Amino acid sequence: QVRLQQWGAGLLKPSETLSLTCAVYGESFSGHYWTWIRQPPGKGLEWIGEITHRGSTNYNPSLKSRVSISADTLKSQVSLKLYSVTAADTAVYYCARDFTSWGQGTLVTVSS
Amino acid sequence: DIQMTQSPSSLSASVGDRVTITCRTSQSIYSYLNWYQQKPGMAPKLLISFASGLQSGVPSRFSGSGSGTDFTLTVSSLQPEDFTTYYCLQTYNFPRTFGQGTKVEIK
Repeated sequence: QVRLQQWGAGLLKPSETLSLTCAVYGESFSGHYWTWIRQPPGKGLEWIGEITHRGSTNYNPSLKSRVSISADTLKSQVSLKLYSVTAADTAVYYCARDFTSWGQGTLVTVSS
Repeated sequence: DIQMTQSPSSLSASVGDRVTITCRTSQSIYSYLNWYQQKPGMAPKLLISFASGLQSGVPSRFSGSGSGTDFTLTVSSLQPEDFTTYYCLQTYNFPRTFGQGTKVEIK
């Protein structure tokens, strides 16, 4: 059974870069797409973007200029970078496989 | 972008009630719609995929229906653990978009 474990810095200052990693255990990395989603406190879910096992990416147009998703197939890891963060980027960030299995979530707070 | 209109935003019900949540999309997404349940402090859990495909381990009181632009999630008999928030998600095209969520509360 697949398990996704994610980690990264939880407190950032405005203009810094958010960096999160999601490791995949228990199942092949190939043949799936890997997605990042976020949820501001008390609010709904927002799709950030995704990457296929072949490295093809798609991003939310609202974040496209600041986001980068990459994959390391050898390590079975997916990474998210969000540049120039502001308080509006404060949220719980989730990684997911095919929108079926989800990581535990990482709260990222942006505050000066 | 495909707009998702999920309704109601909240509802009050009792244990044993039958409840229905609706998700309407701004264009046809065929059956590319998932339903999720999210409990406080937890990641969303996939209940239904491709509009009506019940996930393994999900109780049979949950069901999904619809295609095109109109979809429903039905809980046939609410149990205490079902009082939480539900979301729909379209995976037909990019950007993927979620419904606004429905909070099911105890009456």
